[in-house]
Amino acid sequence: GENVEQHPSTLSVQEGDSAVIKCTYSDSASNYFPWYKQELGKRPQLIIDIRSNVGEKKDQRIAVTLNKTAKHFSLHITETQPEDSAVYFCAAYSGAGSYQLTFGKGTKLSVIP
Amino acid sequence: GAGVSQTPSNKVTEKGKYVELRCDPISGHTALYWYRQSLGQGPEFLIYFQGTGAADDSGLPNDRFFAVRPEGSVSTLKIQRTERGDSAVYLCASSFGSSGGQETQYFGPGTRLLVL
Repeated sequence: GENVEQHPSTLSVQEGDSAVIKCTYSDSASNYFPWYKQELGKRPQLIIDIRSNVGEKKDQRIAVTLNKTAKHFSLHITETQPEDSAVYFCAAYSGAGSYQLTFGKGTKLSVIP
Repeated sequence: GAGVSQTPSNKVTEKGKYVELRCDPISGHTALYWYRQSLGQGPEFLIYFQGTGAADDSGLPNDRFFAVRPEGSVSTLKIQRTERGDSAVYLCASSFGSSGGQETQYFGPGTRLLVL
């Protein structure tokens, strides 16, 4: 099955700085990679995703990059704000035609005002 | 339309009891998933339904766990003889269910289960 590794487990940044979270995956047949943001006691919310036919996708202050050869993808948040503080999870599917999402262990991001 | 909803939001039970957790997916979504999230961890896959049938139940930890979706919409996760180790947040998600898999999944708020 799929194995997803996520780093770092915690990340503290000053407000206005950038934050980068990195994930690696093991199944070369995976072709869809979502990122979820989860605030304390809330549901995981999709913030951005990328498919393997592109190398980068951007949505305002959030971007995701994908390197299929190296099997890693990263989340980039620019101009961080206190409301960005949350736990972020990367995920990947377990192979072609799969419906089983495998999640990383999460990164707790703290944005210091 | 409305997002994925789950009831109850919190459930406290005693060891050995039976519990049922309900999930109402986004209207029109034929695929439905259950995940379990322990404290400080990412969600872990339990089971996936396509319509009324359980297409993949490989994540269910043992035979105390069972899920149904009799009409292809609402699903119920059933846990028999609960154990303290079953305490976790149980998340439900849904997606369109198109062929080929690897779809965007939308999550519900979860049910926080505490087994005393």
